[in-house]
Amino acid sequence: SQQGEEDPQALSIQEGENATMNCSYKTSINNLQWYRQNSGRGLVHLILIRSNEREKHSGRLRVTLDTSKKSSSLLITASRAADTASYFCATETDTGRRALTFGSGTRLQVQP
Amino acid sequence: NAGVTQTPKFQVLKTGQSMTLQCAQDMNHNSMYWYRQDPGMGLRLIYYSASEGTTDKGEVPNGYNVSRLNKREFSLRLESAAPSQTSVYFCASSEQGIDTEAFFGQGTRLTVV
Repeated sequence: SQQGEEDPQALSIQEGENATMNCSYKTSINNLQWYRQNSGRGLVHLILIRSNEREKHSGRLRVTLDTSKKSSSLLITASRAADTASYFCATETDTGRRALTFGSGTRLQVQP
Repeated sequence: NAGVTQTPKFQVLKTGQSMTLQCAQDMNHNSMYWYRQDPGMGLRLIYYSASEGTTDKGEVPNGYNVSRLNKREFSLRLESAAPSQTSVYFCASSEQGIDTEAFFGQGTRLTVV
């Protein structure tokens, strides 16, 4: 089963608006990562937040992590048409397998 | 710097045929992974290799085999393809250890008819 589940599954906004995507997971983690996938392409790493961190920024991206609720959010501010893509959260658990476990993703459409 | 390179990019197989998906990375990473991506399912781990000489099953290993040929190369083999293996396959690599990001190839789109 998927470790991470994302909400919403799809999001359509206008250019300049903010986009917020949420991710929930099930087990204890070392870190949570967000990836972006343009249509027909591979995934590209955006940002990593460690389990002892609560918030992290990178450019127009803001990620929060609440380990008590096992949830994270990705905020993209002042969105651009070029931000149109699918966004995935991925978790690295703190036991056993070191490979990332991915959520089902949020498809973001930014209308120009 | 090519990163992670997968071949082929597209493939159509008949049920029962076999094939090997190739993956190579030039970042000197110890860990390599194979994922499959199906619509609405996100990415699911098939096999991974934490370091050269080791391989381990992931979430959906049935019907697949892997070979970590050397530090650079990690191949995925379908011995007898089934329509349920129609998917997009991604290879990825990362540094060994915790808190490392994964680098992905461009994917192989496989259709089994």
